Amino acid sequence: SQWGEENLQALSIQEGEDVTMNCSYKTYTTVVQWYRQKSGKGPALIILIRSNEREKRSGRLRATLDTSSQSSSLSITGTLATDTAVYFCAFYGNEKITFGAGTKLTIKP
Amino acid sequence: EAAVTQSPRNKVAVTGGKVTLSCNQTNNHNNMYWYRQDTGHGLRLIHYSYGAGSTEKGDIPDGYKASRPSQENFSLILELATPSQTSVYFCASGTGSSAETLYFGSGTRLTVL
Repeated sequence: SQWGEENLQALSIQEGEDVTMNCSYKTYTTVVQWYRQKSGKGPALIILIRSNEREKRSGRLRATLDTSSQSSSLSITGTLATDTAVYFCAFYGNEKITFGAGTKLTIKP
Repeated sequence: EAAVTQSPRNKVAVTGGKVTLSCNQTNNHNNMYWYRQDTGHGLRLIHYSYGAGSTEKGDIPDGYKASRPSQENFSLILELATPSQTSVYFCASGTGSSAETLYFGSGTRLTVL
């Protein structure tokens, strides 16, 4: 496997709380992407971070990338019920994008 | 806005039958991809294409063929469907750069009985 974490994880938190999801990868990459997939839909890119960036922010989202430990994280602050989704990390390597197993996030109102 | 359309949305097939899943993109992207999604496995790449006439094997190509007759269209073909191919299939398009964003369709739910 090109990913360190293969099992789908599930998190359930109260609306308003902050959450952080992590993933690690084994193969060299220059870009890590995070996608969000809502029920019945295809995944959609929410944030992209390059190897020369340690942190990237977009609204309530914050992504980090540590190339030395080959790990990335996605944090969401002040979660909303609409953040309920499956979140995937993905990396570009060997001329294609590979996805991790995902984290199923449920926000309880 | 980027648009990737898959058809059909749902499909029930019999074991041993032929199934064709279709994908159309209006983004004028060079690259197109077929993934399958199963609980616990995330998205796994089946086939991809760099442009019309090209198809490449992904990570799990066995039992699947692909066809890219034009820039806009990319099909996934199961010549002899098996119950293990029951899954949700997603098509995506991308620009082909190292930082490309993938634009996904809404998926096709395939059940093989």
